[in-house]
Amino acid sequence: EDKVVQSPLSLVVHEGDTVTLNCSYEVTNFRSLLWYKQEKKAPTFLFMLTSSGIEKKSGRLSSILDKKELFSILNITATQTGDSAVYLCAVELLTQGGSEKLVFGKGTKLTVNP
Amino acid sequence: DADVTQTPRNRITKTGKRIMLECSQTKGHDRMYWYRQDPGLGLRLIYYSFDVKDINKGEISDGYSVSRQAQAKFSLSLESAIPNQTALYFCATSDSYNEQFFGPGTRLTVL
Repeated sequence: EDKVVQSPLSLVVHEGDTVTLNCSYEVTNFRSLLWYKQEKKAPTFLFMLTSSGIEKKSGRLSSILDKKELFSILNITATQTGDSAVYLCAVELLTQGGSEKLVFGKGTKLTVNP
Repeated sequence: DADVTQTPRNRITKTGKRIMLECSQTKGHDRMYWYRQDPGLGLRLIYYSFDVKDINKGEISDGYSVSRQAQAKFSLSLESAIPNQTALYFCATSDSYNEQFFGPGTRLTVL
């Protein structure tokens, strides 16, 4: 069974802290891994990772994929209260029938206190 | 104007009622998806459609059906709603599978 596991499930930090969110996966026919940020509305896309060891950066957020150990991390430096959200990890894979599918983790709820 | 719209945004209904959630998109994407989100479970795929003539079951399709009326419209139906279908439902679109654009969500409560 394809699965995506995120940890921790929730995290509370103070503004300015650096956080690392984890996503591990066990899937067949991996294609890519995606990170989303969800606040009180629909998820918004953050990163797509397909190759091991290549860091993607966007401002204070960065992410990297390890296809050998089957995990990805999302780092947020100098956290701000606006970073408070649920961060979702999803893995894109090919099914046996040749169609594509996304499997989501349960998310990590990040709370950044002033 | 929003690229992906969902109606209704909130709905309260009773067990056994038939409910339809509608999704429209102006992005011109071929691919559309319906997800539900429950606390602690993340997003789970219900159904997806890669074009008007293509409908595929996701991981939790039981109790749901869909209709792809046109490229821009994808409806989700609950034939006989039950309380454990209370959730937040999201519609999404994509032109390639990698980046999905989500609607604002529909909060459904089944009493």
